[in-house]
Amino acid sequence: QVQLQESGPGLVKPSQTLSLTCTVSGGSISSGAYYWSWIRQHPGKGLEWLGYIHYTGSTYYNPSLKSRLTILVDTSKNQFSLRLSSVTAADTAVYYCARRTNQKNLDYWGQGSLVTVSS
Amino acid sequence: EIVLTQSPGTLSLSPGERATLSCRASQSVSNTNLAWYQQKPGQAPRLLIYGASSRATGIPDRFSGSGSGTDFTLTISRLEPEDFAVYYCQQYGSSPPNLPFGGGTKVEI
Repeated sequence: QVQLQESGPGLVKPSQTLSLTCTVSGGSISSGAYYWSWIRQHPGKGLEWLGYIHYTGSTYYNPSLKSRLTILVDTSKNQFSLRLSSVTAADTAVYYCARRTNQKNLDYWGQGSLVTVSS
Repeated sequence: EIVLTQSPGTLSLSPGERATLSCRASQSVSNTNLAWYQQKPGQAPRLLIYGASSRATGIPDRFSGSGSGTDFTLTISRLEPEDFAVYYCQQYGSSPPNLPFGGGTKVEI
């Protein structure tokens, strides 16, 4: 059974960089069939796709965040990570990592990590 | 860019009733990439339906999906107490690659 687990600081100061890591267990991140994704959800709001990465390093980002967003993969640790720079209060959200299948759906999700941007 | 519009925003029903949720795309989209998710408070979303009409592993057969082109529907044939949640549709856009979500439909008692 594939499991994903987000980790990282729950509080980030404005203008700093938000960093989260997703650890994948029960399967290899190097499987060519999948893209490893980040999605966020503002408090009480809907889901927003942020971007995803293939184990080869190919990345695709939400155009609205592309200038601030970096997604990296570490196959040796079976992890992928998100870095969002120059954060503001508007980046306060629950951040989820998830696995995107060949059919372009998200079949496994992490439990989510609440990140608050505040001084 | 594909925009997905879900309706209604909130659906008030009773256990045992039938729920019909709509997802409309701003342009014709591929059936193979249309998915539905269920999200309960404090939990991550769970994949229900993929390819517009295929149930994900372990999803009860009271959940069904249909539609094509720009109009898709999620139907819950008889609501169970555990089905009261928020439901999202999601599509795949290829130019550039992206995964837009609909705004969600809340099914409440």
